Amino acid sequence: QVQLQESGPGLVRPSETLSLTCIVSGSSIDNYFWTWIRQPPGKGLEWIGYIYSSGTTVYSPSLRSRVTISIDMSKSQFSLQLTSVAATDTAVYYCVRQRRYNWNYDSFDHWGQGTLVTVSS
Amino acid sequence: DIVMTQSPDSLAVSLGERATINCKSSHSVLSSSNNKNYLAWYQQKPGQPPKLLVSWASTRESGVPDRFSGSGSGTDFTLTISSLQAEDVAVYYCQQYSSLPLTFGQGTKLEIK
Repeated sequence: QVQLQESGPGLVRPSETLSLTCIVSGSSIDNYFWTWIRQPPGKGLEWIGYIYSSGTTVYSPSLRSRVTISIDMSKSQFSLQLTSVAATDTAVYYCVRQRRYNWNYDSFDHWGQGTLVTVSS
Repeated sequence: DIVMTQSPDSLAVSLGERATINCKSSHSVLSSSNNKNYLAWYQQKPGQPPKLLVSWASTRESGVPDRFSGSGSGTDFTLTISSLQAEDVAVYYCQQYSSLPLTFGQGTKLEIK
């Protein structure tokens, strides 16, 4: 079955860079949007952005200046970097597979368990 | 951005009764080219990631009990649980994938009365 697993530091200092990796198993990397979504403690879901299997990236306008998503097809993994973090970036970060419908988007059908990243000195 | 607004924020329903959650989008998510509504519903239980229940506003995912149903079109959508079970206690989110940025509703917390 499809599985996604996030990994990375659980604590990041303010102004530093948050880096997470997601390993994908049970799914081809091709023809999906590989996405990061976050959820601050006790709050709702925020879409961060995605990388398509072709390498095309799209980011949320609110985070675009600080976000980079990359992919390593040979390792079936993709990564998130978020620079200049602050306490407001504290959240559970999920890596997610988004389906594609023809040339359009479809829903998020598989989610990792999520990893809590706390920004604190 | 398309703003997704859910109502109510929280809901308490007796076991076996119907639960109804509403979702309104600030712009239509109905595509004129294929007549499909780009709207999904997710269920999130405590300590777990969200789980996809319904896509295209009304298409139930494989393995999702048939007591869950989605309806609506354009800007107004509903998720209905026909007979509430104890395991349905969760937060439910709607989400549009019609246009970027992809956005979620604020969530509706469903509890047992």
